[in-house]
Amino acid sequence: ETGVTQSPTHLIKTRGQQVTLRCSSQSGHNTVSWYQQALGQGPQFIFQYYREEENGRGNFPPRFSGLQFPNYSSELNVNALELDDSALYLCASRIAGGSYNEQFFGPGTRLTVL
Amino acid sequence: QQQVKQSPQSLIVQKGGISIINCAYENTAFDYFPWYQQFPGKGPALLIAIRPDVSEKKEGRFTISFNKSAKQFSLHIMDSQPGDSATYFCAASPANTGNQFYFGTGTSLTVIP
Repeated sequence: ETGVTQSPTHLIKTRGQQVTLRCSSQSGHNTVSWYQQALGQGPQFIFQYYREEENGRGNFPPRFSGLQFPNYSSELNVNALELDDSALYLCASRIAGGSYNEQFFGPGTRLTVL
Repeated sequence: QQQVKQSPQSLIVQKGGISIINCAYENTAFDYFPWYQQFPGKGPALLIAIRPDVSEKKEGRFTISFNKSAKQFSLHIMDSQPGDSATYFCAASPANTGNQFYFGTGTSLTVIP
């Protein structure tokens, strides 16, 4: 186990709704990244937070937003859900400047948009 | 645009055989190349990683071979076991920056007993 947890495990929403996914990082990990993994694909980088500030973003629209809290937890918020948002959402935590760039993934939240 | 290209898409190997998965990249700013193993319903787990200052890294039955000039790297799984059946992803990350990881599209490995 990586020590990174995510909730909920599964979630079903309808198009247009909003969703909040949660992640609890390993203690001491000051950096968290969120990824979207569509079925049969590799994870795609959404954004990264370092010390509660967003410091990197992939090719995702602004309706994908996040928060990082001092207690090593973080949130991914998605507004105006679209059918294509159905995917496994992964968070990964690490220590910035730590050994290589090693990051540890949580088990993911499976989001289904109907 | 796929920053990291991975092949094959799927692989079937006999127990005891060697599994080989290949990846290629273009961005010379990449300097960390991990391989992840993912089982159904689980998040990716780091298997082994390499930096471009070495051409090979071995950990148990898993070996990464790295060719900096060709911008290619590969994962070799020796003495493949049925428990190795999983999806494998290569990835690449630039040095000490925003550290966005770019993943390959994955290889589904099946090891037949």
